[in-house]
Amino acid sequence: GAVVSQHPSWVICKSGTSVKIECRSLDFQATTMFWYRQFPKQSLMLMATSNEGSKATYEQGVEKDKFLINHASLTLSTLTVTSAHPEDSSFYICSARGQGPSYNEQFFGPGTRLTVL
Amino acid sequence: AQSVTQLDSQVPVFEEAPVELRCNYSSSVSVYLFWYVQYPNQGLQLLLKYLSGSTLVESINGFEAEFNKSQTSFHLRKPSVHISDTAEYFCAVIANAGGTSYGKLTFGQGTILTVHP
Repeated sequence: GAVVSQHPSWVICKSGTSVKIECRSLDFQATTMFWYRQFPKQSLMLMATSNEGSKATYEQGVEKDKFLINHASLTLSTLTVTSAHPEDSSFYICSARGQGPSYNEQFFGPGTRLTVL
Repeated sequence: AQSVTQLDSQVPVFEEAPVELRCNYSSSVSVYLFWYVQYPNQGLQLLLKYLSGSTLVESINGFEAEFNKSQTSFHLRKPSVHISDTAEYFCAVIANAGGTSYGKLTFGQGTILTVHP
């Protein structure tokens, strides 16, 4: 149980285009999902908290207009990197908060490698 | 707010040797503690967690960690490592009380464990 998927697993795009990354909880409902980015040889940095049916909460320094988050259902959150530039190249990982006894745990997706040329 | 410090960025060991990966944290509220493992180009997998109860927690693959509240530490240990344990390990905490940090994972910088034959 508690499986989280991400799609795509990797994507290459041209500078200036937009890229959408999906995060799905496959066998449980997730009212809260989180988006992280990870630069090479660095730790995970929380970008935003995504709550189903409401606006995402962004961490300080994260541009909300550049990283659009939509959490339209209890099993799907999307992150859209708008007008991507090479500096946006990174590994993006989502997680979903568990339910019941697992409420204080986060279950992670496999990540999406974004390369912007 | 919380912070997590992993004192060693890289730990090389020989197969079948014991290993300890150190983790210290600071927080003004009580926390839950986690160790995650990340293999190259993959997401995070939960290794073990401390929520309450016994301060010594174990994983199914032989790792253990002990929560030491007085030293604010949660070091990860394994008495005999295998080649397959080569990965990056992240220590993380979640505040278990209210406030702006509630429910957000704060990660350490990561420790790369390399097991040599």
